[in-house]
Amino acid sequence: EAGVVQSPRYKIIEKKQPVAFWCNPISGHNTLYWYRQNLGQGPELLIRYENEEAVDDSQLPKDRFSAERLKGVDSTLKIQPAELGDSAVYLCASSFGETSVLVSEQYFGPGTRLTVT
Amino acid sequence: RKEVEQDPGPFNVPEGATVAFNCTYSNSASQSFFWYRQDCRKEPKLLMSVYSSGNEDGRFTAQLNRASQYISLLIRDSKLSDSATYLCVVTDSWGKFQFGAGTQVVVTP
Repeated sequence: EAGVVQSPRYKIIEKKQPVAFWCNPISGHNTLYWYRQNLGQGPELLIRYENEEAVDDSQLPKDRFSAERLKGVDSTLKIQPAELGDSAVYLCASSFGETSVLVSEQYFGPGTRLTVT
Repeated sequence: RKEVEQDPGPFNVPEGATVAFNCTYSNSASQSFFWYRQDCRKEPKLLMSVYSSGNEDGRFTAQLNRASQYISLLIRDSKLSDSATYLCVVTDSWGKFQFGAGTQVVVTP
C-alpha cells in the first residue's frame, strides 16, 4: 500500500515568491495534517482536516499561508509571499477516524524541504 | 512553558546497553500518548503507543505516569540501528497532537 505522498521533495525560492506543496494521503484516511518542522524541533501543527473541513487551523499564519483539501482527498498548502523564516520541512500526515472520537496514529509523508533565500 | 518537554540529549549509549529517557507534559487532560522515531532527514514514524498500564514491544518499554505527567521510553540491548531522535507525542481531548522537540540517542560500537 502506498504511503503518504508529497511533492516536491525540495524547493528553493527567493523571498517574496509564492510556493505550493501537495499531499496525497493514504487511501481511506479521512484526517489530514500539515506540519512545519524546524531543525532541532518537533513538528508543529499548521492545519488539520477531517474530510474537507479544516477543524483546527489556529496555528496557521493566515496572512500568508493558505490550504485547501478539495473533495476530502489531496491537499495543497500555499505560502504567499514566502519569508526567510519560512525555511523548514513541511510534513503532511494522515490518519483514519475522527480525531474527536478516536485518536489513531499518524502516518507521515517524506516532507518538502523549503529553503527561502 | 512548552506543552511537551524532552531532554534533547544526546544520550550516548554503548551497543548492548540500556537507555531510558522521559517526556513531561503540561496538560493533565491529555488523552493519548505515543513515541515516534525520526531518523536524520527522514519523516517521523510511529514506534509505539503508550498505554496506562505500560507496554512492551520487543526491546522497547513505554510507561505512563499520569500523576506526575510524564511518559518514559526504555531501550534494552541497544543496537546501532536504534540511533535516532525519539519524539514524544501527546494528544488532547480534541485529538490535537503535540510533539516534543525530541531526544537524540546515539548508539556507539
